[in-house]
This record gives sequence, C-alpha cells and structure tokens, in this order.
Amino acid sequence: EVQLSESGGGLVKPGGSLRLSCAASGFTFSSYAMSWVRQAPGKGLEWVSGISGSGDATYYADSVKGRFTISRDNSKTTLYLQMNSLRVEDTAMYYCAKDRPQGNIDHWGRGARVTVSS
Amino acid sequence: DIQMTQSPSTLSASVGDRVTITCRASQSVSKWLAWYQQKPEKAPKLLIYKASSLESGVPSRFSGSGSGTEFTLTISSLQPDDFATYYCQQYNSYPYSFGQGTKLEIK
Repeated sequence: EVQLSESGGGLVKPGGSLRLSCAASGFTFSSYAMSWVRQAPGKGLEWVSGISGSGDATYYADSVKGRFTISRDNSKTTLYLQMNSLRVEDTAMYYCAKDRPQGNIDHWGRGARVTVSS
Repeated sequence: DIQMTQSPSTLSASVGDRVTITCRASQSVSKWLAWYQQKPEKAPKLLIYKASSLESGVPSRFSGSGSGTEFTLTISSLQPDDFATYYCQQYNSYPYSFGQGTKLEIK
C-alpha cells in the first residue's frame, strides 16, 4: 500500500524558512516522479513543484520559483521542499503526491500545514 | 503556462441527477487531463486520468471525455457521497496546473 507522510509544517514569520519532508513507502520510490501541491485556506489546489524519479529534473510554479527548492533522497525514500523567503500568501496545506509515469497524481499524503504570519 | 478554467464554479443538484462539469485549457493539452474529487479536510482523490480513463475502484457513474482544450466530467446519477469539490488538472506540460474547482452542492 502506498503511503505518503508529510512533516515539518508549522508557523513561521514572513521572510523565514521551512523545510517539508515526505516519507514514502509501499512503492519503488526512485522509479516515480513526485510533486508538491498546496491549498490555501478555503481556496483551490495549486501545483507547486515536481521532480523526476532520479532527481535530475525539477519544475516549479512561477509563484515559488527562486524561493522554493524540491529535492529527494532515494536512499531514504524521502521527498523534500525547502521553502525560503516565505510570504503570507504561502500559507496553505502542502500535499506530497506520487505521479504516474504519464504525469497525473495517483496518491496523495494527508498534508502539512504551513502558516506564514507575523 | 497553461491556464485551466472550470465551469460552473458551483453546481446545485439533487440525488439521481445527471451533471456535467466543463474544463477548458488555454492551449491544447492533448488527452493529458485528470479529474479529482475532494471532500472537506481530505486529500483529493483521482477519478479520471488521460481524459477518459476511469481510475480503478471509482464507480462507473463517473465518466470523462474531451481532448485538446475542452473536457467534461459527467456523473450519470448523483449519489449522496458525490457532493464534493471537483478539480481538473493538466499534465501535458510543466508547470502543471489545476482548474479553480467546481463545488457540487445538494439542491
């Protein structure tokens, strides 16, 4: 059974940093691209970032480019999202997600809540 | 970047109704379009992928169609469990993008 478990969320001041982790199990982690998707309170889903199975290729939404960095450690079957220069508008639930080879998401974690506030 | 637009934003319907949600892309995404269902305080759930392929375990009352820039999600006979918010997502090219969502409410 695929399991994705996010951690590292919390309250941070504007301009601060936070690193989210996503521990994965139940599948061959290195064979699948992974994504981060967020959802601001009361709002819709926003795709944030993606990374290939090997970690060689990374992709970002314009809203986070230059501030967020996605990475993975295949030996630890863990996905990361380093978030720097955080803004109030980055406040959201952040979901870790597993991609199918064609690209659509087929499994989601329960999410990690990030609040950016002074 | 590809923009996804769903309509309507809110839909009121009754149990047993047939409903259709539309998703339009700002440029062609071929058939690389997925639909997700989300209930409050829960992670989304995959319903349809590659525009019209039904995910395993999803009831057959859900169906998807379309290609290029226009897509539809149809629920043939609404059940109480179907009242939720639905999102389309294109995965034709990065950055991937979601529609703004359609909230399906009980009439």
